Amino acid sequence: DTGVSQNPRHKITKRGQNVTFRCDPISEHNRLYWYRQTLGQGPEFLTYFQNEAQLEKSRLLSDRFSAERPKGSFSTLEIQRTEQGDSAMYLCASSLSPLGGSSYNSPLHFGNGTRLTVT
Amino acid sequence: DAKTTQPTSMDCAEGRAANLPCNHSTISGNEYVYWYRQIHSQGPQYIIHGLKNNETNEMASLIITEDRKSSTLILPHATLRDTAVYYCIVRVRAQGSGYALNFGKGTSLLVTP
Repeated sequence: DTGVSQNPRHKITKRGQNVTFRCDPISEHNRLYWYRQTLGQGPEFLTYFQNEAQLEKSRLLSDRFSAERPKGSFSTLEIQRTEQGDSAMYLCASSLSPLGGSSYNSPLHFGNGTRLTVT
Repeated sequence: DAKTTQPTSMDCAEGRAANLPCNHSTISGNEYVYWYRQIHSQGPQYIIHGLKNNETNEMASLIITEDRKSSTLILPHATLRDTAVYYCIVRVRAQGSGYALNFGKGTSLLVTP
């Protein structure tokens, strides 16, 4: 178990450019989450996948953001036409879904994030 | 949605127990309480969770009041490496079929020598 891996660790880009981040979850985990964290705040939920299906998107995920998980394994998060307000840490997490209809959420395992700076 | 209230910051002397409180007075009957922590420049790390009963693992203990309106995370012998932001989270059901954890701002714990 190598944990959740995110690449790159840091990204500096100019306003208006597109950026793409990658997340490799723990191999047997079928759920994958993206969060965003700005300075001094806790992580904020962006979107969530169960296998390859994107089941939920936060209102924070504007039209410029798109996430994919094509084969139910790794995921990418793309931001188009970046703005300075997009500067943040982007965190990926994975978990194993519970059996049946339990209200229990398996613990999330987080990567160390990709820090985006838009200049 | 159940919300949580935590102190902004706390100090603890190394080797002493750190007791981190959390209020969640609007918690629903089937909502779990989760604790995560985040050390500087790292992603959040799961610590422990509970529903009704007190729980203990190798990292910490979780004490949940009988009415479930508050809980306390206990680090029995705090070390300098326990300095982190601690998040108390009540699982929130997002729209659709997913479940999102809303972290809030947490408690910044400083363990001092």
